Amino acid sequence: DGGITQSPKYLFRKEGQNVTLSCEQNLNHDAMYWYRQDPGQGLRLIYYSQIVNDFQKGDIAEGYSVSREKKESFPLTVTSAQKNPTAFYLCASSISGSFYEQYFGPGTRLTVT
Amino acid sequence: QKEVEQNSGPLSVPEGAIASLNCTYSDRGSQSFFWYRQYSGKSPELIMSIYSNGDKEDGRFTAQLNKASQYVSLLIRDSQPSDSATYLCAVNSLEPTGRRALTFGSGTRLQVQP
Repeated sequence: DGGITQSPKYLFRKEGQNVTLSCEQNLNHDAMYWYRQDPGQGLRLIYYSQIVNDFQKGDIAEGYSVSREKKESFPLTVTSAQKNPTAFYLCASSISGSFYEQYFGPGTRLTVT
Repeated sequence: QKEVEQNSGPLSVPEGAIASLNCTYSDRGSQSFFWYRQYSGKSPELIMSIYSNGDKEDGRFTAQLNKASQYVSLLIRDSQPSDSATYLCAVNSLEPTGRRALTFGSGTRLQVQP
């Protein structure tokens, strides 16, 4: 069964702690993306990767970091430098590049207090 | 600046009616266009993609693209209460870096009244 998995579904952290969100896909897609969604708003691009060992900043990369060591995996770290980390985080993948359809994982809801 | 604009709604239609959702975009060079459905608390689900001018039909859904006027729309025929959700328009847009990325509108909330 092909798809994108994200874990955990809910995550609670104290302010000042780094946290890593997992994203795995078995669709054999080259490109992977991380978005952030705040209540009542659209999706904003944090980072994307079109190939292993390469990634690019999106619109709101400050306070976040990523790695792409394997085609299937694209973890996102929310660092203590991110001023407003509480949000719904969505991982997506596509065959190659933004021209193509992107498919989303179920999301991780992060709450930082 | 890349922009994708949608009316936030809510758009309320009776069950069985046609729901019409609209989206305008600013980047004339955009080449691919998508509609996603997002239920409350869930992740977006791709329902339509369109790449060339005209209409594309898939079941009860029809996407319409007019590149000259820079708008894309989604029609939902025979609307059902289960169609009640937020519909996100996404457009492949040119970034300042010279790369292309998907830009999302803030979504239109659709309510289908039984």
